Amino acid sequence: QLQLQESGPGLVKPSETLSLTCTVSGGSVGSRDYYWAWIRQPPGKGLEWIGSIFYTGTTYYNPSVKTRITLSVDTSRNQFSLRLSSVTAADTALYYCARQRHSGSYHYWGQGALVTVSS
Amino acid sequence: QSALTQPPSASGSPGQSVTISCTGTSSDVGGYNSVSWYQQHPGRVPKLMIYEVSSRPSGVPDRFSGSKSGNTASLTVSGLQAEDEADYYCSSSAGSNVWVFGGGTKLTVL
Repeated sequence: QLQLQESGPGLVKPSETLSLTCTVSGGSVGSRDYYWAWIRQPPGKGLEWIGSIFYTGTTYYNPSVKTRITLSVDTSRNQFSLRLSSVTAADTALYYCARQRHSGSYHYWGQGALVTVSS
Repeated sequence: QSALTQPPSASGSPGQSVTISCTGTSSDVGGYNSVSWYQQHPGRVPKLMIYEVSSRPSGVPDRFSGSKSGNTASLTVSGLQAEDEADYYCSSSAGSNVWVFGGGTKLTVL
């Protein structure tokens, strides 16, 4: 059974960089059949896709964060990562990693990591 | 790209059917057979209920069904049960490897 687990600091200061890693077990980030995605949910609000990465390192970003986001994948560690720079309070959210079919659907999700942006 | 439009709320009595809409444009919902639907109970991880407009993952009851007409996709829940009370989100491709969610609909079972 595929499992995903987010990890990283829960508190980030304004203007600094948010960093999260998603560790995958029961499957391989090196699979050609899927993308690996990050989705966030601000407290009390809806879901927002922020980016996806293919095992080759090809990335796809939400235009709303395109200038601040970097996704990377490490097939040797079976992990993929998110970096979001110049964060503000508006980036406070529960960040989910997920496995995404090429058609776009997210079949497996991590438990989510709450990241708060505050000084 | 803009978020897909969903009604903020929907409701129905146990046993009834309710349909939640997800309206986009010809650049997203209308242009691709990639609409998916997610159920999220409070404090829980979203769960995939429908993918590629009308396909159901294994384990999802057949009370849940999806369809699309033009730029609007729909999720229908038949035979409403108390445990169906949750938030529901649609998602679609918006082209050029960009994906977008709807704003979410809170389903209340009366």
